[in-house]
Amino acid sequence: DTGVSQNPRHKITKRGQNVTFRCDPISEHNRLYWYRQTLGQGPEFLTYFQNEAQLEKSRLLSDRFSAERPKGSFSTLEIQRTEQGDSAMYLCASRGDTQYFGPGTRLTVL
Amino acid sequence: GEDVEQSLFLSVREGDSSVINCTYTDSSSTYLYWYKQEPGAGLQLLTYIFSNMDMKQDQRLTVLLNKKDKHLSLRIADTQTGDSAIYFCAESIPGGYQKVTFGTGTKLQVIP
Repeated sequence: DTGVSQNPRHKITKRGQNVTFRCDPISEHNRLYWYRQTLGQGPEFLTYFQNEAQLEKSRLLSDRFSAERPKGSFSTLEIQRTEQGDSAMYLCASRGDTQYFGPGTRLTVL
Repeated sequence: GEDVEQSLFLSVREGDSSVINCTYTDSSSTYLYWYKQEPGAGLQLLTYIFSNMDMKQDQRLTVLLNKKDKHLSLRIADTQTGDSAIYFCAESIPGGYQKVTFGTGTKLQVIP
C-alpha cells in the first residue's frame, strides 16, 4: 500500500494519560500535515512539516500537544495529560501535487 | 479570512443526479477540492479544480466553479447507494504551507 498510513487506528485512554500517534506519509512527499476532526465537523488544521522542519502550528495546538518528524519521513503526534475534549479523529495528510489523507486515528478519552 | 460553507444534508433517489453546493470566502484560493468520507474512515480525494478553471469533469463527477460568486458545486450523475457519505468542500490558499480549510460537510443519503 503506497498511501498514507496511520497507527493506531483507534485509541482509548483515561483522562490524564499520554498518547502518541504515528503517521507514515507517501514516501516521496516532503510535506506533512496533521488535522483534527470532531464529530459533525470538517477537519481542522493542527500543524505542518516540510521535511523535518515544523513550519506552522495552529492555535488549536496547545502546550500539551507536540509533533515531530525527526528524519523527514514518518511523524508522531503526542498528547500529554489527555482531556475529554481531546477526543476526536486525528488525521495525517501528505502532499505532492495535492493532499492525500490517511485513515485517521480515533482517540477516545474516558 | 477563510470560511467554507455547505448545506448539511442532501437526500436523493438512486439513479438521480446529486448536486452538492459550497461557498467560500477567500478569493485568493488556488485549489478547491471535494473529499468523500465514509463512516469511520479517512478522507478520500474525489476531485479538485484549479481556481482558473470553470469546470472539470471526471466520469460521473462534474465540478463547477463560479469564481465571481465564490461558489463551487459537485454533481454526481446516476447516484448510487455507494455514494452515500459525507462530502467535504475544501480550499487551499497560496502561501508557504498551503493548508486546506474544510467546510462542515454535506451528508448525502441515497434512497434505493
